[in-house]
Amino acid sequence: GAGVSQSPSNKVTEKGKDVELRCDPISGHTALYWYRQSLGQGLEFLIYFQGNSAPDKSGLPSDRFSAERTGGSVSTLTIQRTQQEDSAVYLCASSPQAGGRETQYFGPGTRLLVL
Amino acid sequence: GNSVTQMEGPVTLSEEAFLTINCTYTATGYPSLFWYVQYPGEGLQLLLKATKADDKGSNKGFEATYRKETTSFHLEKGSVQVSDSAVYFCAHLSGGYNKLIFGAGTRLAVHP
Repeated sequence: GAGVSQSPSNKVTEKGKDVELRCDPISGHTALYWYRQSLGQGLEFLIYFQGNSAPDKSGLPSDRFSAERTGGSVSTLTIQRTQQEDSAVYLCASSPQAGGRETQYFGPGTRLLVL
Repeated sequence: GNSVTQMEGPVTLSEEAFLTINCTYTATGYPSLFWYVQYPGEGLQLLLKATKADDKGSNKGFEATYRKETTSFHLEKGSVQVSDSAVYFCAHLSGGYNKLIFGAGTRLAVHP
């Protein structure tokens, strides 16, 4: 079946602009995660959604970052007033449910460049 | 705190050589352990995993054994191929088993 999809695949924006990144998880997966992959910080967790529960936002680096998940499926990560240090690859993953034995399946990522 | 440490790369090998990439972790409890691979220009793919002590994960000729006593999950392959050239990430699930904690990644380059 279809894997995790993300759009856009690449995004170039100017410093100070807002950007929205979209993630479509694997159908039927209730857990959804956002990670960021950058040269200086490696792979880091941003936010996690499980069904209709309140998300775990503990990894968001600042209040300029927010995410929502509509209808328990598609998620949007929004970065307001982008800064150059926000340049990174933003990865979305999903799993059938949360839990220690569940594998997270990753999308291809959105490469964000802030000029 | 929770962390993953893996050997620095790049690792450069000739085809058919033996590969070991070391990985150790710190975590509370007994987390599941994973190796993910990122081929050039592609996204992260699960390579193998182990969910409890002494479990061995294996896939595509790669193996890793969950060693609780040494908190390690070293990746091995007996005979690497050029197509194995990629970046390999060791990871464990933490934070109530919701978030993956990744190592820094090890770049492997295999030459003919």
